[in-house]
Amino acid sequence: DIQMTQSPSTLSASVGDRVTITCRASQSISSWLAWYQQKPGKAPKLLIYKASSLESGVPSRFSGSGSGTEFTLTISSLQPDDFATYYCQQGFTFGPGTKVDIK
Amino acid sequence: QVQLVESGGGLVKPGGSLRLSCAASGFTFSDYYMSWIRQAPGKGLEWVSYISSSGSTIYYADSVKGRFTISRDNAKNSLYLQMNSLRAEDTAVYYCARENVVTTWGAFDIWGQGTMVTVSS
Repeated sequence: DIQMTQSPSTLSASVGDRVTITCRASQSISSWLAWYQQKPGKAPKLLIYKASSLESGVPSRFSGSGSGTEFTLTISSLQPDDFATYYCQQGFTFGPGTKVDIK
Repeated sequence: QVQLVESGGGLVKPGGSLRLSCAASGFTFSDYYMSWIRQAPGKGLEWVSYISSSGSTIYYADSVKGRFTISRDNAKNSLYLQMNSLRAEDTAVYYCARENVVTTWGAFDIWGQGTMVTVSS
């Protein structure tokens, strides 16, 4: 089975910061990777699919990159609405999540 | 609009059973693969079960295999999860989610709001 890891597990940042979250797969998954944002008490929301494709309606400050085993989610300028937990996903496996909180 | 609405959660004793439902609207339900995904309190996301568009292919996580049964009724635009022999560790919010293999490469692009299942004596 493919294992997914994320780093960091928690990230403290300020509004306007550039934020990068890393997701690693235990074996090559080509570009079969998605990123989700989840806020407390809410369902996850798809942000990025195919490693770098932006889901419709998602702000352009979100971007994804990578292929093979290493992937990144970048928020170019963190906004108040972006404080949340972010998960990567490949197939039936989710990463453990990265919580982005206020510094 | 496109949406999924879960129902059927609640409090159940260990060893008990519960059936979750997920009503789909705003899209052609029979065209899409569907999954159940759960989230224990304060924990991450855990995929539980998958069913193909026709219902002919089904997968389960090892943690629920033999206890949970996924099914769908395309005529009723509905997805189900029959949960038997429930354990405390099954306590979670259960989400149904649409898998879009055509436009989002298998990502889960639509999620329900979730239904809480609590297993406790």
